[in-house]
Amino acid sequence: DVKVTQSSRYLVKRTGEKVFLECVQDMDHENMFWYRQDPGLGLRLIYFSYDVKMKEKGDIPEGYSVSREKKERFSLILESASTNQTSMYLCASSPTDRGVQPQHFGDGTRLSIL
Amino acid sequence: DQQVKQNSPSLSVQEGRISILNCDYTNSMFDYFLWYKKYPAEGPTFLISISSIKDKNEDGRFTVFLNKSAKHLSLHIVPSQPGDSAVYFCALGTGNTPLVFGKGTRLSVIA
Repeated sequence: DVKVTQSSRYLVKRTGEKVFLECVQDMDHENMFWYRQDPGLGLRLIYFSYDVKMKEKGDIPEGYSVSREKKERFSLILESASTNQTSMYLCASSPTDRGVQPQHFGDGTRLSIL
Repeated sequence: DQQVKQNSPSLSVQEGRISILNCDYTNSMFDYFLWYKKYPAEGPTFLISISSIKDKNEDGRFTVFLNKSAKHLSLHIVPSQPGDSAVYFCALGTGNTPLVFGKGTRLSVIA
């Protein structure tokens, strides 16, 4: 079974702090993704990566950066947290096989910025 | 502009009856269509998928229908059970680009 593990289920931080959200997958997947989920807005893609050291902007990258130093780990960084970044953050991974493959999600990190 | 639309934010169905969740899209390049289910405080879990060469795929109580000419995708759950109560997302893809998700439909199955 694919396991995508997000380091924290709940996190509370202060405005202006630098925040790190960590994600690790154990299936040797090439592709990794970060989304945020907000009521009425569904899942919105922040950043994704198709390989180590590679990163691509998603639909809403402003205020975020990412790091992928190892294949299994994909970190999301909030450079200077703001209250509008309070959200549920979801990490996902998928293999690069022929055709579209389902993404496997972690359980999410509910982040509150005060 | 939204490429993928789930026009019903919520749906209530009696236990034992059929649940029909709908998804419309605008980009004819999509060739792979998936449904995810999400419980509160958990990540989405993959439910069922269909490729563009088919118009129906069945897995137990879950059936996905694809109408390419109408750019319409639907998920049927028969019979509906209280444990099916969750938010359902359709997700569409092509090649190795990231999936595009709809905004979700909250299904409530009433006992």
